[in-house]
Amino acid sequence: GAVVSQHPSWVICKSGTSVKIECRSLDFQATTMFWYRQFPKQSLMLMATSNEGSKATYEQGVEKDKFLINHASLTLSTLTVTSAHPEDSSFYICSARDNQQPQTQYFGPGTRLLVL
Amino acid sequence: SQQGEEDPQALSIQEGENATMNCSYKTSINNLQWYRQNSGRGLVHLILIRSNEREKHSGRLRVTLDTSKKSSSLLITASRAADTASYFCATDEGDFVFGPGTRLSVLP
Repeated sequence: GAVVSQHPSWVICKSGTSVKIECRSLDFQATTMFWYRQFPKQSLMLMATSNEGSKATYEQGVEKDKFLINHASLTLSTLTVTSAHPEDSSFYICSARDNQQPQTQYFGPGTRLLVL
Repeated sequence: SQQGEEDPQALSIQEGENATMNCSYKTSINNLQWYRQNSGRGLVHLILIRSNEREKHSGRLRVTLDTSKKSSSLLITASRAADTASYFCATDEGDFVFGPGTRLSVLP
């Protein structure tokens, strides 16, 4: 089946630093990828929709300058958490929509971010 | 986007019993999907049911969809301790929106 990878799976950083998370579709092309955030024992909240070759669409309340998204190819989207603070500590999950099966998303394994 | 709402929010059963979780949504959908998430891990896709389907099976999983009631149910038969996880439904109108999930605990 389709596979989506995320890197890194774990990251611990100091407050004020920036962290980049990669999301890759491994065996399919994805014009559209999504970034979600999940706090402990809560559901996933959509942060933004990433479209290859164009600007990302952010959900209400998500700071676009804080969470920079780049979708430079059909298999890679990156989320950069800029000037991270402890409140940004969370589980970040990406998903990719298969161009050949647009009604199906495939999810990555997630990246756990801890900001000290 | 619309949100699926799972019910119950928490369910605790004994190993071997069946677990039923429900999901309701608000407007029309193309498909509804169920996902499992083990604690601190990513999502695992379980099953997709399309709006023109009423029931679907996959191993010990059975999903039903009632578009007139805008609801779906996920039945896990003969549950195992390894089924302990959170279960989410997600509907799509372009983007997926997840409900709060049902936390299932299967006790040995």
